[in-house]
Amino acid sequence: SQQGEEDPQALSIQEGENATMNCSYKTSINNLQWYRQNSGRGLVHLILIRSNEREKHSGRLRVTLDTSKKSSSLLITASRAADTASYFCATPSINYDKVIFGPGTSLSVIP
Amino acid sequence: DTGVSQNPRHKITKRGQNVTFRCDPISEHNRLYWYRQTLGQGPEFLTYFQNEAQLEKSRLLSDRFSAERPKGSFSTLEIQRTEQGDSAMYLCASSLGFQPQHFGDGTRLSIL
Repeated sequence: SQQGEEDPQALSIQEGENATMNCSYKTSINNLQWYRQNSGRGLVHLILIRSNEREKHSGRLRVTLDTSKKSSSLLITASRAADTASYFCATPSINYDKVIFGPGTSLSVIP
Repeated sequence: DTGVSQNPRHKITKRGQNVTFRCDPISEHNRLYWYRQTLGQGPEFLTYFQNEAQLEKSRLLSDRFSAERPKGSFSTLEIQRTEQGDSAMYLCASSLGFQPQHFGDGTRLSIL
């Protein structure tokens, strides 16, 4: 059962531009995570934001969380070709014992 | 931290054959997860273990799928009587409690 859903499905930008992707979810959460997946590889954890946090930074990444709108956004600033990957949000399952991944946003950064 | 290791990386088999995949998690991680991922989709939960106990198996999972984690260390995922629809990437992840998960690079299964 899908909890989170990313938007857009695909995004293509020029190197140096900012990339923004969004995640909407359905039920109450205690945290939300973002992961990256390079082609043919496993997922890599990027950042976790708790439900009592509104914004969190990690390097060129900025994540926001709006629990009233049940949505989160991931901003990648000054994108690089190496940022080309799929990005997934992950939200807790209803009984909080595991996470559920959305279908992802495929980001292409053109050099 | 040597990371999560999955073997084999690729498996090609004929329909109807049985296949087994192995996952070696990060040694101190007590939780181990199996996911299936098809092209353009996110990882779909299959099952997870806490130590050696299998705590949940997806209701979407056929009885042809079975997983084990003897002694709470490595885990195996077996698919019996493979079907075309089983073609996918099978991902393993591990975590310490509810900490973020560390993923292996997956086993890509192709059914001929």
